Amino acid sequence: EIVLTQSPGTLSLSPGERATLSCRANQSISYLAWYQQRPGQAPRLLIYGVSTRATGVPDRFSGRGSGTDFTLTISRLEPEDFAVYYCQLYGDSRTFGPGTKVDIK
Amino acid sequence: QVQLQESGPRLVKPSETLSLTCTVSGGSISTFYWSWIRQPPGKGLEWIGYIYYIGSTHYSPSLESRVTISLETSKNQFSLNLTSVTAADTAVYYCARGGGRFDTWGQGTLVTVSS
Repeated sequence: EIVLTQSPGTLSLSPGERATLSCRANQSISYLAWYQQRPGQAPRLLIYGVSTRATGVPDRFSGRGSGTDFTLTISRLEPEDFAVYYCQLYGDSRTFGPGTKVDIK
Repeated sequence: QVQLQESGPRLVKPSETLSLTCTVSGGSISTFYWSWIRQPPGKGLEWIGYIYYIGSTHYSPSLESRVTISLETSKNQFSLNLTSVTAADTAVYYCARGGGRFDTWGQGTLVTVSS
């Protein structure tokens, strides 16, 4: 069974700062997506195929990685970016990571 | 623009069956994969299963003994049945478009399992 871990659990930053979120798998994977979930809302697809931005996603969001290590970067945090972010494996199985909360410092 | 809306009972008794329907508007259900995903209060996301528009299904191994997802093409809807529920099945249930990555989500509906 492939397990995803995300770090840190919480990231406290100020608007305008850069956020770097990590997602690690316990074995090599090929298909990874990232979602943003604001309080009281459904998740929103940000990134798929490791690095492709979904329709309408601002270019301050970027994804990269390969094998077992993946990263979501938000280049300059806007007020609406403070949320929980989940990575998700897809392909042979569909598994979500536990999430990283980005909150205001 | 495709929109999804979940509907169904918000309260289900233990040992009974949870039944939800997702209505798709702004596009045809007769393309794509369609999934159910849940989120216990304050916790993370769990994929339940998907149905392809031709009717084939794939379920999470941890739930497949209790899950059925079906399609009602004439009504542009798909449905979830989860049998023998317990308190551990209390969650916000989302329907979503996609079988791998999920690009459109319903707003979600909280279903509580309690007597």
